[in-house]
Amino acid sequence: DGGITQSPKYLFRKEGQNVTLSCEQNLNHDAMYWYRQDPGQGLRLIYYSQIVNDFQKGDIAEGYSVSREKKESFPLTVTSAQKNPTAFYLCASSSQGAGGNTIYFGEGSWLTVV
Amino acid sequence: GQNIDQPTEMTATEGAIVQINCTYQTSGFNGLFWYQQHAGEAPTFLSYNVLDGLEEKGRFSSFLSRSKGYSYLLLKELQMKDSASYLCAVRERTGGFKTIFGAGTRLFVKA
Repeated sequence: DGGITQSPKYLFRKEGQNVTLSCEQNLNHDAMYWYRQDPGQGLRLIYYSQIVNDFQKGDIAEGYSVSREKKESFPLTVTSAQKNPTAFYLCASSSQGAGGNTIYFGEGSWLTVV
Repeated sequence: GQNIDQPTEMTATEGAIVQINCTYQTSGFNGLFWYQQHAGEAPTFLSYNVLDGLEEKGRFSSFLSRSKGYSYLLLKELQMKDSASYLCAVRERTGGFKTIFGAGTRLFVKA
């Protein structure tokens, strides 16, 4: 089935550690996104990528890094520089173009700092 | 940049109609989405508007006025399962495309 797969679903990080969240899509979408959601809050854009080997910072990129070496994959690394990383992380993708394209979401990853 | 405003919470009664408003300010407007999100789950797509007017899809309708930077989501015949957060999102063309979400409106449906 086509879709977006995020892993792991739950992740615990010790302070000072870097962790990487995986996101894979088989929808042949050009654009991919990472959002962060804190409890009771909306989605905030971390990074987005419109094509392979290119990505742009969103509104809250500090303390995060991404790569886009393959069209299907857009992993997010939460670095030790991110001081408050506990949140729900959502990966999404969409096709490009001016013709109004829906964003599809993965099931999300819960990251907790212990 | 973008600014998207929607009410924080709303309460409505089962079987009633509720309207959730969204106002936005953006450059390069390229469409407005509404998503539904239940607690702890990913958002699911409800509607998309890029031209002015009303789009109807079953119990859900969405309206857009680009000149006013305004949209609303209308939910009819409310059911208890409609209790969720409703997210307004604006797609912006800035070279490429990016989509920014509002903080969401939590809707509580009571019996």
